Amino acid sequence: DTGVSQDPRHKITKRGQNVTFRCDPISEHNRLYWYRQTLGQGPEFLTYFQNEAQLEKSRLLSDRFSAERPKGSFSTLEIQRTEQGDSAMYLCASSLAGLNDGGELFFGEGSRLTVL
Amino acid sequence: DQQVKQNSPSLSVQEGRISILNCDYTNSMFDYFLWYKKYPAEGPTFLISISSIKDKNEDGRFTVFLNKSAKHLSLHIVPSQPGDSAVYFCAASALRETGANNLFFGTGTRLTVIP
Repeated sequence: DTGVSQDPRHKITKRGQNVTFRCDPISEHNRLYWYRQTLGQGPEFLTYFQNEAQLEKSRLLSDRFSAERPKGSFSTLEIQRTEQGDSAMYLCASSLAGLNDGGELFFGEGSRLTVL
Repeated sequence: DQQVKQNSPSLSVQEGRISILNCDYTNSMFDYFLWYKKYPAEGPTFLISISSIKDKNEDGRFTVFLNKSAKHLSLHIVPSQPGDSAVYFCAASALRETGANNLFFGTGTRLTVIP
């Protein structure tokens, strides 16, 4: 399977614990995005990488959230001191080009987080 | 503040008929619009897009119409097929403002095509 891969698919944690999600983009894609989707809502943009550089961060990304893409390939999204409001589906997407260059975002299946 | 709105949470259509999904936006800086389709337990998949310099874009059974003055776009599916049953998300971007890295999504419309 050469699509966007996310791990784990499901994570249940207790409030206050740290969690980390991993995203493996399509191999030749240099752009990587994280979105969050809560129940009944559409995906909301969190952050964007071009290669290893984090070029955009949403105001939704509080200080408890950190994303990295150390070698410009896979990315991790860590949430520290989780809160119940962090419960959501975390979606990763990748693209070969930006939207203004006709690029298309390919989404992974998501990592569902439940904070008890 | 929801900048992209899909006011119909669900829509049911008979197979073979036209499905019309609607989307409204509030940000006049949006200049690129997309529709994504999402099946359960899968990520959204790109369906069709339209730039603000056009008012219509067609791809097979799918046509997107854009009315900039009304800040409204719609997706037409003709003829509708049972395999089209999914949640459809409208999304928008302000290419000139944000560098095209941030998509704003609506809340989705669940389409059910009845055989």
